[in-house]
Amino acid sequence: GQQVMQIPQYQHVQEGEDFTTYCNSSTTLSNIQWYKQRPGGHPVFLIQLVKSGEVKKQKRLTFQFGEAKKNSSLHITATQTTDVGTYFCAGPKSNYQLIWGAGTKLIIKP
Amino acid sequence: GAGVSQSPSNKVTEKGKDVELRCDPISGHTALYWYRQSLGQGLEFLIYFQGNSAPDKSGLPSDRFSAERTGGSVSTLTIQRTQQEDSAVYLCASSLAQGSRYEQYFGPGTRLTVT
Repeated sequence: GQQVMQIPQYQHVQEGEDFTTYCNSSTTLSNIQWYKQRPGGHPVFLIQLVKSGEVKKQKRLTFQFGEAKKNSSLHITATQTTDVGTYFCAGPKSNYQLIWGAGTKLIIKP
Repeated sequence: GAGVSQSPSNKVTEKGKDVELRCDPISGHTALYWYRQSLGQGLEFLIYFQGNSAPDKSGLPSDRFSAERTGGSVSTLTIQRTQQEDSAVYLCASSLAQGSRYEQYFGPGTRLTVT
């Protein structure tokens, strides 16, 4: 069946280092969404990508959608403590249901 | 405006008891989702409501789980004869309309602990 794989599961970084999470789908996606869940919180929508090869930026966050629309990435430059949390990608499973990646947990080393 | 609200925020129950979890979606949002999230895990789809259409119950893990949505607004997720493996955070989300392109707005969740 359709799968969305997200790697890595965890990433430990020093504050100020960069962070990247990758999302790979077994099928072509019409769009992909990214969400952030702070520790103890609930997922919050960050962005949606629709076009092949699309790149969008939000301050220190850069989101990319692959040319084949089967993969996506989120890159954070110069991480800050406020970036801590789990980042999820999600793509359409049906015309209303999303299939979610397992998430990448960003941990800032003390 | 108000976001998605859920109640209770925490629920501790004994194995074998029934529980009801409530979700109030954002006013005007026609689509409503229930998810389950076990500790440190991703989101497991449970059920989807869209307007007055029949719900998609394909994610419900067993017949002990049921949900309803009254008047196209408030939704209740009921778990009968709770088991310890039901312990998780139950998240409700709503979106403006049907369609995977609409962002989902999540409530704070109900943390269910079955002892």
